Amino acid sequence: GAGVSQSPSNKVTEKGKDVELRCDPISGHTALYWYRQSLGQGLEFLIYFQGNSAPDKSGLPSDRFSAERTGGSVSTLTIQRTQQEDSAVYLCASRFAGGAYEQYFGPGTRLTVT
Amino acid sequence: QKEVEQNSGPLSVPEGAIASLNCTYSDRVSQSFFWYRQYSGKSPELIMSIYSNGDKEDGRFTAQLNKASQYVSLLIRDSQPSDSATYLCAVNEANNFNKFYFGSGTKLNVKP
Repeated sequence: GAGVSQSPSNKVTEKGKDVELRCDPISGHTALYWYRQSLGQGLEFLIYFQGNSAPDKSGLPSDRFSAERTGGSVSTLTIQRTQQEDSAVYLCASRFAGGAYEQYFGPGTRLTVT
Repeated sequence: QKEVEQNSGPLSVPEGAIASLNCTYSDRVSQSFFWYRQYSGKSPELIMSIYSNGDKEDGRFTAQLNKASQYVSLLIRDSQPSDSATYLCAVNEANNFNKFYFGSGTKLNVKP
């Protein structure tokens, strides 16, 4: 079946602009995760959703970052007033919630802030 | 102390050898453990999951879990150049199956 999809695959934006990154999880997966990976670094947890609610937003770096999920499906990560340090690959993952289920990752969005 | 620790490597092994990748975790109550492979420029790909002490084999891959010592390892038998990648260990948060911690990964180079 279809995997996790993300769009756009690449985004170049000017410092100070807002960007929206989209994630479409695997059908039926109720949990959705956003991570950030800077060049050569590990995965940095940002936020996860259980259905449409976000029980854990502890990883969002600042109030410029926000995310929402609607209809228990598609999620959007918004970064306002982008800064150069926001440049990274933003990865989305989904899984069945609860129990010992694996996460499956999308291809990521490479964000470059110039 | 980080929740999940991995040696960053690089770990270099000759083709055909066994590659051994290790991961330690800090939370004794963690229940679920995962290994992901990440090729350069690509997203992580799930290789193995393990939930019980002992070994779990899948083709050339064997995951080993020792909860008492709080480590999980991945063995790759008959290593191939195509196995060259960064391997990420992930552990779920204690008593919360919905949150995961990832190690920073071990880079594996398999030399022909």
